This record gives sequence, structure tokens and C-alpha cells, in this order.
Amino acid sequence: EAQLVESGGGLVQPGGSLRLSCAVSGFTLSNYWMSWVRQAPGKGLEWVANINQDGSQRHYVDSVKGRFTISRDNAKNSLYLQLNSLRAEDTAVYYCSRVPGGYSYYDAWGQGTLVTVSS
Amino acid sequence: DIVMTQSPDSLPVSLGERATLNCKSSQNVLHTSNNKNYLAWYQQKPGQPPKLLIYWASTRESGVPDRFSGSGSGTDFTLTISSLQAEDVAVYYCQQYYSAPITFGQGTRLDI
Repeated sequence: EAQLVESGGGLVQPGGSLRLSCAVSGFTLSNYWMSWVRQAPGKGLEWVANINQDGSQRHYVDSVKGRFTISRDNAKNSLYLQLNSLRAEDTAVYYCSRVPGGYSYYDAWGQGTLVTVSS
Repeated sequence: DIVMTQSPDSLPVSLGERATLNCKSSQNVLHTSNNKNYLAWYQQKPGQPPKLLIYWASTRESGVPDRFSGSGSGTDFTLTISSLQAEDVAVYYCQQYYSAPITFGQGTRLDI
């Protein structure tokens, strides 16, 4: 069974940075595209970023381009999201999710990590 | 961007009743090359991550009870729960993966 465990969230001031991690087990990370999806408190779901199996393709929602960077280390079974220049509107639970086939739906999710941007 | 609009926002139902949730996309999500609708449905219970229920508009994910079914094509889609159980109380989201950026509907809250 696929397991995904996020970490690295917390309280950060506007303009600050955080690095989120997602440790995966139960499947071979290198076989899958992966994504980050976020959910602001009491709101709906928003796709943030995608990365392909070897990290050569990365896609971002317009609102985070130039500020967030998705990366992966298949040898460490880990996915990452570097968040820079954080804004209040980035406050959300960030989920890592598995993409079974390229640009696609999400068939496994972590429990999420909360990022709060506030002074 | 493709805008996904779900209706209703909230749906009160009784145990054992049929629930019908709707999702409309602002553009066609049917790919003519493979005749597949790039549409998925998720269930999210309070304090939990979303759970995949349906993909390709009508394919049930492994382990999902058969009371959940998806239908529709093009721009109009439906998630049907044939006989509501207490554990089905949740928010349901549709998602298109036809074109970038991937987008979700705003959700339908199912209440008993």
C-alpha cells in the first residue's frame, strides 16, 4: 500500500521560506509523476506543482511560479517543495500526491502539512 | 484555464436515499483521440486528505463501493451514490486533467 508522509510545515512570516518534504513508501517513486496540491483553510483544492519521474519536467500553477520549486530524490524516496517569498495567501495544508500516469488524477495522498504565513 | 463548477454547494440527504452530484466544465474534457473524459471525483472527510473515487469519468477506483458511480461526457458529469450510508458524509470534488493547469470544482458538501 502506498504511503506518503509530509513534513516541514509551520508558521513563517511573510517573505519567508520553508522546505516541505514528502517521504514515500510502498511503491517505487521513480515510476511516478508526483504533485503537490494545497488546500487553504475551509476552502477547496488547488494544484500547485508537478514533476516527472526523473525531475526533467516541472510545472507550476501561475500563482507560485518563480517562488516555489518542486524537486525529488528517488534514491531517498522523497519529494520536496521549496517555498520562497511566502505570502499570506499561501497559507494552506499542502498535500503530496501520486500521479499514476503523466498529467492525470491523483491515486494516493499524504495526510498533509500545514503552512501558515503570518506576522 | 478550465473552470469546474459543481452543484449544488450543499446537499442534504437521508440514509438510504440516492444522491446526485453535478459537475460542469467550462470546456470539453473529452479527448477525441482516445474517447476518454479527463474527469475524476474525490471524497474528502473532515481532517482527512481527499480520496480518489472515480477517474476517466466513470471508472471506479479499486476498493470503492459500487454504490458510487460516475457518468457524463464532454462538459457535464454526475457522481451518483445509489444508497447513502452514514460514512458517505463528506465533501466531494470533481477535477479535470484534460489541460493545464489541473483544476478542481469548489466541492459539494453532502449532509445527512
